[in-house]
Amino acid sequence: AQSVTQLGSHVSVSEGALVLLRCNYSSSVPPYLFWYVQYPNQGLQLLLKYTTGATLVKGINGFEAEFKKSETSFHLTKPSAHMSDAAEYFCAVSDQTGANNLFFGTGTRLTVIP
Amino acid sequence: DTEVTQTPKHLVMGMTNKKSLKCEQHMGHRAMYWYKQKAKKPPELMFVYSYEKLSINESVPSRFSPECPNSSLLNLHLHALQPEDSALYLCASSRKGTGELFFGEGSRLTVL
Repeated sequence: AQSVTQLGSHVSVSEGALVLLRCNYSSSVPPYLFWYVQYPNQGLQLLLKYTTGATLVKGINGFEAEFKKSETSFHLTKPSAHMSDAAEYFCAVSDQTGANNLFFGTGTRLTVIP
Repeated sequence: DTEVTQTPKHLVMGMTNKKSLKCEQHMGHRAMYWYKQKAKKPPELMFVYSYEKLSINESVPSRFSPECPNSSLLNLHLHALQPEDSALYLCASSRKGTGELFFGEGSRLTVL
C-alpha cells in the first residue's frame, strides 16, 4: 500500500522568504514521487517528479525537492517566494509497476504575504 | 496550455438530467483517468482506462458511466445525479509506466 502525508494544510510565507512544504510517503516498493500545483479553478500541473537517479530534482518555477529514503520524505522547497506561487500543492506517490495509480496527499495551501 | 482538453468547463444539471463530460488528448497516451475533486480536498480516483479497456473502477456509483471510444477520447456519462455529486471532475492521461499524469483543467459540475 502507498500513501503520502502532507504536514500543514496551510503555510504562509512572506514574499521573498523560503518556501518549505513537507511530504512524507509510505510505500512497500520503490516509489515514484510527484509534486503538483493547482491554481484556483484549474487542473493540476506537474511541478517536478522523482523516479530514479539523482535524489535532488529541480522543477518548474524555481521549485526543487529532495528524495530522502532514510527519512521517507520528499519535501518541496523554493528559495524565494513570489506572489504568483500562492496555490494548492499536492504531493503524490505511485509505484513502479506501471499501474500508474497516483495517491495524493491532502494538500497544502500556500499563501504569500506581500 | 494543457494538452488534455475537457468540455464543458461548467455544467449545471438537474437530478433527472442526462449529460456527458468529454476529454480529449493527442499525446499518444494509452492510459486515461477520471478523478473527482471536492472543494479543499485532493482528487479522488474514479476510473482508469488502459488501452481503451476499463482497468480500475473505484466503486463509483452506477449513475456515473465511463466510456473510452478510442485512444484519444474519454467520456463520463452522468444520469440521475445527486447534489453531493457536485464537484470538479478532472480528466488525466499518462504514458504507461511513467507514473506522470497530465491533467485537464476540469469540468465543474453543479447538480441542483
